[in-house]
Amino acid sequence: KQEVTQIPAALSVPEGENLVLNCSFTDSAIYNLQWFRQDPGKGLTSLLLIQSSQREQTSGRLNASLDKSSGRSTLYIAASQPGDSATYLCAGSGGGADGLTFGKGTHLIIQP
Amino acid sequence: DVKVTQSSRYLVKRTGEKVFLECVQDMDHENMFWYRQDPGLGLRLIYFSYDVKMKEKGDIPEGYSVSREKKERFSLILESASTNQTSMYLCASSLWRGRYNEQFFGPGTRLTVL
Repeated sequence: KQEVTQIPAALSVPEGENLVLNCSFTDSAIYNLQWFRQDPGKGLTSLLLIQSSQREQTSGRLNASLDKSSGRSTLYIAASQPGDSATYLCAGSGGGADGLTFGKGTHLIIQP
Repeated sequence: DVKVTQSSRYLVKRTGEKVFLECVQDMDHENMFWYRQDPGLGLRLIYFSYDVKMKEKGDIPEGYSVSREKKERFSLILESASTNQTSMYLCASSLWRGRYNEQFFGPGTRLTVL
């Protein structure tokens, strides 16, 4: 059974810094790795999806990478802003129409 | 943009009541999902559906059932609500092409069972 772990559970950095959020998974049969953002009391916003045939995806200041051999994905946030403060979740699925297995998230605070 | 809507943002029910949570998506997605989110436990899959009238159990289906009579609508049913079903419930949908399966979430329903 797939297990997804996110470290650290919480992170606080000054505005303007570049930062990396980590996600590890146990089953290398993962096919889709998706990163989400969740604001307090709200639903999830999809940020990036990486398929196993890809190594990375970029959207604006965000870059996500996937290394199946090591069981790791990272989300890189460039030039962080206070508006980036949120909980970031990674989740993986196999190649079927199945549900996602989530990590417990990294709570990110960007200090103005 | 994909739009997933849920019928209520907040809901308060009493123990033993039958509860319906509704989810609608407007992008003609085949797949729909119900998750619950609890502090310390994260998001866990309850049920999913890959076609009309089809359903599959997720990791924690006990105490829940689902209905999918139309492609755009997926309902979660708590037959007899209990206090341990107090949680945030999140619905999602996805378009499945090849093995590509990106999920889009609704705003969530915070259910309190008294």
